[in-house]
Amino acid sequence: KQEVTQIPAALSVPEGENLVLNCSFTDSAIYNLQWFRQDPGKGLTSLLLIQSSQREQTSGRLNASLDKSSGRSTLYIAASQPGDSATYLCAVNQAGTALIFGKGTTLSVSS
Amino acid sequence: DAGITQSPRHKVTETGTPVTLRCHQTENHRYMYWYRQDPGHGLRLIHYSYGVKDTDKGEVSDGYSVSRSKTEDFLLTLESATSSQTSVYFCAISYGQDGNTIYFGEGSWLTVV
Repeated sequence: KQEVTQIPAALSVPEGENLVLNCSFTDSAIYNLQWFRQDPGKGLTSLLLIQSSQREQTSGRLNASLDKSSGRSTLYIAASQPGDSATYLCAVNQAGTALIFGKGTTLSVSS
Repeated sequence: DAGITQSPRHKVTETGTPVTLRCHQTENHRYMYWYRQDPGHGLRLIHYSYGVKDTDKGEVSDGYSVSRSKTEDFLLTLESATSSQTSVYFCAISYGQDGNTIYFGEGSWLTVV
């Protein structure tokens, strides 16, 4: 059974820092991996989608990498801002099932 | 924003009563999903649909049923609500299942007292 783990569960950084969020999964037979952002009391917003054949995807200050063989993905946020404060979730997509989510990393960026 | 509307957005109901949550999409996406989100458990799949009248169970389907009579609507029913079903319920949609981005609704907060 696929399990997705995100470490750390919470992270606090000062504004301007570069940071890395980690996601690991136990079964490497995935179609893709997706990173989401969730603001308090809101739904999930898709940030980046990495197909299994890709190594990384970039969008603005965000860069997500995927190492399928080792079951790891990272989300790199450059020059963090208070507006980046949110919970970040990763999810993997496998055959025969819907997305399987990690429990998220709650990020707080202080000004 | 993907055209997903969930209703009601907030509901308080009594134990033992039936409750139906509605998800409506305007994107004509084939796949629709119901998830629940709880502290300590994250997001867990309840049921999903891969077409009109085609549904399948997810990880936490006990106590829930679904129906999809039209492409645009996916209903989640709690036949007899229990306090353990107090949660935030999210509907999601995707064009396909394998390589497509999934889009989420804003959530429905359900409290069973």
